[in-house]
Amino acid sequence: NAGVTQTPKFRVLKTGQSMTLLCAQDMNHEYMYWYRQDPGMGLRLIHYSVGEGTTAKGEVPDGYNVSRLKKQNFLLGLESAAPSQTSVYFCASSYVAGVVQYFGPGTRLTVL
Amino acid sequence: SQQGEEDPQALSIQEGENATMNCSYKTSINNLQWYRQNSGRGLVHLILIRSNEREKHSGRLRVTLDTSKKSSSLLITASRAADTASYFCAFSGGTASKLTFGTGTRLQVTL
Repeated sequence: NAGVTQTPKFRVLKTGQSMTLLCAQDMNHEYMYWYRQDPGMGLRLIHYSVGEGTTAKGEVPDGYNVSRLKKQNFLLGLESAAPSQTSVYFCASSYVAGVVQYFGPGTRLTVL
Repeated sequence: SQQGEEDPQALSIQEGENATMNCSYKTSINNLQWYRQNSGRGLVHLILIRSNEREKHSGRLRVTLDTSKKSSSLLITASRAADTASYFCAFSGGTASKLTFGTGTRLQVTL
């Protein structure tokens, strides 16, 4: 099992460009999450999904969109990147709510 | 923000010593978890303690939970250089489908 994988690992964008981060899990988990991690801030939840076809806003959703068309994939989109979105993005999944989450290796995004 | 607070922010100890880090939160919780993050990597789950438990052990890890004080502590005994990492608490409460993470403690274990 690969667990949770994220694509790409690194990306540099210019302000105003768009991109999509892909998260895939092979554990048949219902719940999937997108976090961003900034120095001294811990992890903050951007969006999450409680099942295929569902999405919900987390703590810091502005400037991001998500889609969960397939149970195993959770996509995070930036429509018009801003320097404030420079961060490390982590995807996670879990079998049910509020229990152990399994994390991907992260995507380091820099917006110039 | 409902983020948990952890202290200390950073901790430096020598190999063989014990490391203790603390987490405080503000809401009612169902459980509290601890995760480890090695530099540049994703988080790895260490241990989960339910709200009706007061103490839990796993190998060299000991976690306590005091729901009346809304706090938890993680003790790593006989630390090793390989324990060098950041440690995060995370908690869920009520019908929430998500975890809230603390701000983390950076642990440095030197030889």
